[in-house]
Amino acid sequence: DQQVKQNSPSLSVQEGRISILNCDYTNSMFDYFLWYKKYPAEGPTFLISISSIKDKNEDGRFTVFLNKSAKHLSLHIVPSQPGDSAVYFCAASDSGAGSYQLTFGKGTKLSVIP
Amino acid sequence: KAGVTQTPRYLIKTRGQQVTLSCSPISGHRSVSWYQQTPGQGLQFLFEYFSETQRNKGNFPGRFSGRQFSNSRSEMNVSTLELGDSALYLCASSLAQGGAYTEAFFGQGTRLTVV
Repeated sequence: DQQVKQNSPSLSVQEGRISILNCDYTNSMFDYFLWYKKYPAEGPTFLISISSIKDKNEDGRFTVFLNKSAKHLSLHIVPSQPGDSAVYFCAASDSGAGSYQLTFGKGTKLSVIP
Repeated sequence: KAGVTQTPRYLIKTRGQQVTLSCSPISGHRSVSWYQQTPGQGLQFLFEYFSETQRNKGNFPGRFSGRQFSNSRSEMNVSTLELGDSALYLCASSLAQGGAYTEAFFGQGTRLTVV
């Protein structure tokens, strides 16, 4: 049972436009959500996070939105740049679990076309 | 500040052998967790250690084990290797003591190939 789902395996966006990556979760205990960017044969790099007490968090070109009632979050990248081309993973954790574990989606491959 | 260091970066082993992978977390981080990435399954949680204690374990067979030392460095061991164990093994460190909103920082990973 996949608790974190990224339903779009891939996304192509023109340089300068907005990229929107989506993520859904099913576990109501998740209260902290993170986005990671990953290049092949490298470890994921942390991008941005959001706790369940917020509905939006911004960091430069990256904004994450959380809709708790829909159990949905999205990552907006504006403007998109060719260097943003990578696989993006959504992850979730339960801060009250007593241990630290991230549950990941299967990733969305973003291609930004110059 | 040094990041998470994993050694070795690449490894080729034969079926039936055992392997040990090493991870040095970011200085001051006491939580170390391990993940397996395969093309079909994505990133899957193996186990997490905090202050030398395993706090949580994912759904993997007993052939997968780990430990953490007093300096927070961690090792994971896979015994009786199978072809399906071929994957990128990732280590992550965090400040998490449980009950905290915090991010994990990943190493570059160890690419294990079982032949």
